[in-house]
Amino acid sequence: QKEVEQDPGPLSVPEGAIVSLNCTYSNSAFQYFMWYRQYSRKGPELLMYTYSSGNKEDGRFTAQVDKSSKYISLFIRDSQPSDSATYLCAMTSGGSNYKLTFGKGTLLTVNP
Amino acid sequence: EAQVTQNPRYLITVTGKKLTVTCSQNMNHEYMSWYRQDPGLGLRQIYYSMNVEVTDKGDVPEGYKVSRKEKRNFPLILESPSPNQTSLYFCASRTLTDTQYFGPGTRLTVL
Repeated sequence: QKEVEQDPGPLSVPEGAIVSLNCTYSNSAFQYFMWYRQYSRKGPELLMYTYSSGNKEDGRFTAQVDKSSKYISLFIRDSQPSDSATYLCAMTSGGSNYKLTFGKGTLLTVNP
Repeated sequence: EAQVTQNPRYLITVTGKKLTVTCSQNMNHEYMSWYRQDPGLGLRQIYYSMNVEVTDKGDVPEGYKVSRKEKRNFPLILESPSPNQTSLYFCASRTLTDTQYFGPGTRLTVL
């Protein structure tokens, strides 16, 4: 079983839709969870950063972590064409192990 | 402006010709790493460094070397590149407790 599983998509939605992106993981030591957005021909940029279980909201973006189910989600409300990108989940156990483990990314297209 | 820079951004080379991709960060970060990104395989860590003169292998270190003589620089060296090293490479840096910042990427083609 891979440490982090992420559906690669592609996912295509109309402008204004609510988008749900998800990752599952197997390592119960993971405590820090991130979502990165990567535009074509660019490096990944951090979108959301959460610690342990719960929700975090930032504008149109909400990150959810359910450690009991080993499942994380990113919701995008009122999606815009500018949200079209690849979204990567990432996670780490922190402590003395600073390595990030990434999902393979989900390609999202928001159609005007 | 806080950033991670990489050079060159694009490189086409031939098998066996040694090359170096430079990486520099201006955020005084301790931790730096190199990734390669391939379709269907995602981001895979090549090497990382937790501080000056401290480096360690990531998931796919074969065929690569790194050095960390200064805190801000972390070059990636391919002593004898092969076509299977054709990829998109990212340098990244972070503090030990903070988030990770990525460079803009280097697209390498080995013929």
